[in-house]
Amino acid sequence: EDQVTQSPEALRLQEGESSSLNCSYTVSGLRGLFWYRQDPGKGPEFLFTLYSAGEEKEKERLKATLTKKESFLHITAPKPEDSATYLCAVQAEETSGSRLTFGEGTQLTVNP
Amino acid sequence: DTEVTQTPKHLVMGMTNKKSLKCEQHMGHRAMYWYKQKAKKPPELMFVYSYEKLSINESVPSRFSPECPNSSLLNLHLHALQPEDSALYLCASSQLALAGAYEQYFGPGTRLTVT
Repeated sequence: EDQVTQSPEALRLQEGESSSLNCSYTVSGLRGLFWYRQDPGKGPEFLFTLYSAGEEKEKERLKATLTKKESFLHITAPKPEDSATYLCAVQAEETSGSRLTFGEGTQLTVNP
Repeated sequence: DTEVTQTPKHLVMGMTNKKSLKCEQHMGHRAMYWYKQKAKKPPELMFVYSYEKLSINESVPSRFSPECPNSSLLNLHLHALQPEDSALYLCASSQLALAGAYEQYFGPGTRLTVT
């Protein structure tokens, strides 16, 4: 069974204090790993897709990396507007219909 | 444009009402999804439509009835719901491929309250 575990559950940072969020996964074969950002009461916003170990993608203060067992979302010099829940999801090779397995998310709070 | 729209934004309904949620996308995506999300939990897949045909039903109770009238529209018909069905209902869409993975784009959601 595919599993995704995110840590920590919650993270509080001061503005400018860089950190990383972790997503560990167990799948029969990885087709893709996705990062989303979700603000309270809104739909998840797509951030990155990673396909293979060693791949990295960047967008503004965010950088996502992938190994064979986990992915990291690095946040450099965060701002209060980066406060949100960050969701990681995987799609396995044996998955039909583009089914995603989500982690429970990391709730990030950035204080000014 | 990566926008998925959903209406209404909020819905309050009694347990005997019939209502519908609507979703629309104009990205040419041929896969569309309904998710249910409870507070502080990740989205939970309900239905998947591929090329306007229902391809996945995650054992959802029959009081939820999906419909895909065309490649851009997705509806969720609601009837005789229970208070525990109160949640944020999300629509999403993506490209389809035999192999490879494509990101899903989510709408803003409909906040449903069943009284």
